Order: sequence, then structure tokens, then C-alpha cells
Amino acid sequence: EVHLLESGGGLVQPGGSLRLSCAASGFTFSSFAMYWVRQAPGKGLEWVSVISGSGDSTYYADSVKGRFTISRDNSKNTLYLQMNSLRAEDTAVFYCAKPGVEAPPRWGQGTAVTVSS
Amino acid sequence: NFMLTQPHSVSESPGKTVTISCTRSSGSIASNYVQWYQQRPGSAPTSVIYEDNQRPSGVPDRFSGSVDSSSNSASLTISGLKTEDEADYYCQSYDSTNWVFGGGTKLTVL
Repeated sequence: EVHLLESGGGLVQPGGSLRLSCAASGFTFSSFAMYWVRQAPGKGLEWVSVISGSGDSTYYADSVKGRFTISRDNSKNTLYLQMNSLRAEDTAVFYCAKPGVEAPPRWGQGTAVTVSS
Repeated sequence: NFMLTQPHSVSESPGKTVTISCTRSSGSIASNYVQWYQQRPGSAPTSVIYEDNQRPSGVPDRFSGSVDSSSNSASLTISGLKTEDEADYYCQSYDSTNWVFGGGTKLTVL
């Protein structure tokens, strides 16, 4: 069974940094691109970033480009999101997600990030 | 780049049928699969329809998905509404490898 577990969220001051992790199990991690999606309080879902299965290709939403870095360690079945220069508008629950290929996508339970002084 | 537009809210009575639309702003709706997610308050989104019209194991057959090229939109239909179906529903498609989400629809079952 696919399982995704995010960690690393918390309270950080504006301008600070945070590193999120997503531990994956139940599938061949390196075979799948992986996604980060966030949801600000009371708002909808926003795609943040995607990384290819090998880690060679990465893409970012304009709202985080230049501040966030997605990466993965296929030997540890773990996805990361390094977030720098955090702003109040980055406050959200961050989800990691596995896309589906002839199967439904799977999401983790999310980790909350609060940017506030 | 394109956008997916959903109604902000819909409401219907228990036992009835409701359809939530998801309209693509540019490019063909049929060119990329559409997924539908259900999100209850305080919980992560879960898939109720994937690849336009496929239902994950465990999702009741009251949930169905379709794509209409003439209106360039996808639809999620829920029949025999139950109070437990009350939730937010999001459509999602692809722009190359990037995910694009609709703004979400709040379904009220009253």
C-alpha cells in the first residue's frame, strides 16, 4: 500500500528557512515523479513543485521559483522541499503527492507551515 | 498555461444527483487526464475519480467522471447523494508535467 508521510513543518519567522521531508513507501519510489502541493488556510489547492523520478528535472510555480528547491534521495525513498526566504503568504499545509499511472494519485496527510513573527 | 474553472458551491438534497463542472480555459480538455479529489475539513484530499472516469477502489459507484470536448469541460457526477458526500471537490489536470487545480467546489447536502 502506498504511504506518504510528510514532516518538518512548523513556525518560522519571515525570511527564515524550513526543510520539509516526505517519506514514501509501498511503491518503487524512483520510478515516479513526485509533487508538492500546498493549501493556504481557507483556500484551494496550489501546485508548488515537481521532480522527475531520477531527480534530473525540476519545475516550480512562479510563486516559489528562486526560493524553494525540490530534491529527492531515491536511496532513502524520501522527497524534500527546501524553503528559503519564507513569507507570510507561504503559510499553508504542504502535501507531497504521487501521481497515478493507471492508478489513482496518492497524497500524504500534510505538514503545516506557519510564517509569522 | 491554462486555468480550470469550477463553481464555488453547489447544493442538493439527499438522494438527488449533482454534477460539478470543471472548464478548461485554453487547450483541449481531452489532451490531459482529469482527476477529481474530495476533501473533508481538516483532512487531506483523496481521489474519487482519476484519468477522467476511473474510480479508485473503495469509492462508491455513485461517483462518476466524464469529459465533454464540446464544452471543453470535465464533470463529476454524484448520484444518490448522502450527507457524508458534503465536502470540497477539486478537479486537477496537467500542463506539461505541472499540476493545475480548479478553485474547488463546496458541496452542501441539505
